[in-house]
Amino acid sequence: KAGVTQTPRYLIKTRGQQVTLSCSPISGHRSVSWYQQTPGQGLQFLFEYFSETQRNKGNFPGRFSGRQFSNSRSEMNVSTLELGDSALYLCASSPQGQNTEAFFGQGTRLTVV
Amino acid sequence: TQLLEQSPQFLSIQEGENLTVYCNSSSVFSSLQWYRQEPGEGPVLLVTVVTGGEVKKLKRLTFQFGDARKDSSLHITAAQPGDTGLYLCAGYSNTGKLIFGQGTTLQVKP
Repeated sequence: KAGVTQTPRYLIKTRGQQVTLSCSPISGHRSVSWYQQTPGQGLQFLFEYFSETQRNKGNFPGRFSGRQFSNSRSEMNVSTLELGDSALYLCASSPQGQNTEAFFGQGTRLTVV
Repeated sequence: TQLLEQSPQFLSIQEGENLTVYCNSSSVFSSLQWYRQEPGEGPVLLVTVVTGGEVKKLKRLTFQFGDARKDSSLHITAAQPGDTGLYLCAGYSNTGKLIFGQGTTLQVKP
């Protein structure tokens, strides 16, 4: 069974630009969650999508958004990039979300210059 | 707000030593998950503990869930350089979010 696939692996963007990251979950998994990981803050929850609906949201500004498609693939978008958005963005898939095991992709390393 | 607190934050030991990492909360969790993450990669799920008092073993790693389901520990026996990494505990909050502790960075020197 293929694991969670995130693309691209690395990205360099300029302040003010926008970026879209993609996540393909494990086949059959309907929940996709996104996390931002930085050395100072650890893993911070961004949002969770389940069956194309946002089910949970973390404490991030509206510049961070996401969506999920009917095949469970998910994208997250960050608009008007700031230097502080530089981080490893991780996607996790799980069968149902709450109280089921979550499996992570390798992440997308975003650098904002 | 439910929080998971891990200790210690950093651990540097010699090969062959034993160590324990703790994950504590004031809240009850229905289960806790432990992950290991290597630099630049995503966390890899090691184990899920579900029942209070449960002990699970994964080779030289022993995971325990507290009786009250508010805490968990990870014990590594005879650590090896391959055990080096960031160890994370995680649990689902009562709002359905998977939340993480700050992590324990383990360095095992040959």
